[in-house]
Amino acid sequence: NAGVMQNPRHLVRRRGQEARLRCSPMKGHSHVYWYRQLPEEGLKFMVYLQKENIIDESGMPKERFSAEFPKEGPSILRIQQVVRGDSAAYFCASSPGRSETQYFGPGTRLLVL
Amino acid sequence: EDQVTQSPEALRLQEGESSSLNCSYTVSGLRGLFWYRQDPGKGPEFLFTLYSAGEEKEKERLKATLTKKESFLHITAPKPEDSATYLCAVRSGANSKLTFGKGITLSVRP
Repeated sequence: NAGVMQNPRHLVRRRGQEARLRCSPMKGHSHVYWYRQLPEEGLKFMVYLQKENIIDESGMPKERFSAEFPKEGPSILRIQQVVRGDSAAYFCASSPGRSETQYFGPGTRLLVL
Repeated sequence: EDQVTQSPEALRLQEGESSSLNCSYTVSGLRGLFWYRQDPGKGPEFLFTLYSAGEEKEKERLKATLTKKESFLHITAPKPEDSATYLCAVRSGANSKLTFGKGITLSVRP
């Protein structure tokens, strides 16, 4: 039973480029969450999605960040025009239901040069 | 706004030296307190969920307890492989998101 899968594991971008982070939830899970972990800080919630719907995006920066979870395929977190401050580890979690335990993927480490 | 504070920030133990990690929280309507373990370069690994004061859960050398204001993760006779960062998180009200503390980095010397 594969766990939550994220790719790429490491991503290097230059300032102004776009970053696309992918997350495939555990089998049978239809709820996906994205968190960001900055150096020396705790994990911070960004967005919560169900298939084709954004349920809670209260932690998403207002500009340059977007997320989707299409009917088919992985969830994608997209960061446009990246800046150095976007360098962080981005984790995806999934759960089978809204109020159930969240299981995390290995993360994508984004470095912006 | 939910708040989670973990202490100490770092803890160094000798193998076999039992200790406790603290997680203090402030929430409006707790709907779950979660403990995760995170190894360097990896994602958080789920350990326990606690829902109400007085609840306890155990797994190998770990035991988690919960009161109305804090949770403890007790580590009995730790081994070097228990070295990791331990994360505490809460879920409250109608939210599905987790609010995390900054974590406690545990180092167990052989």
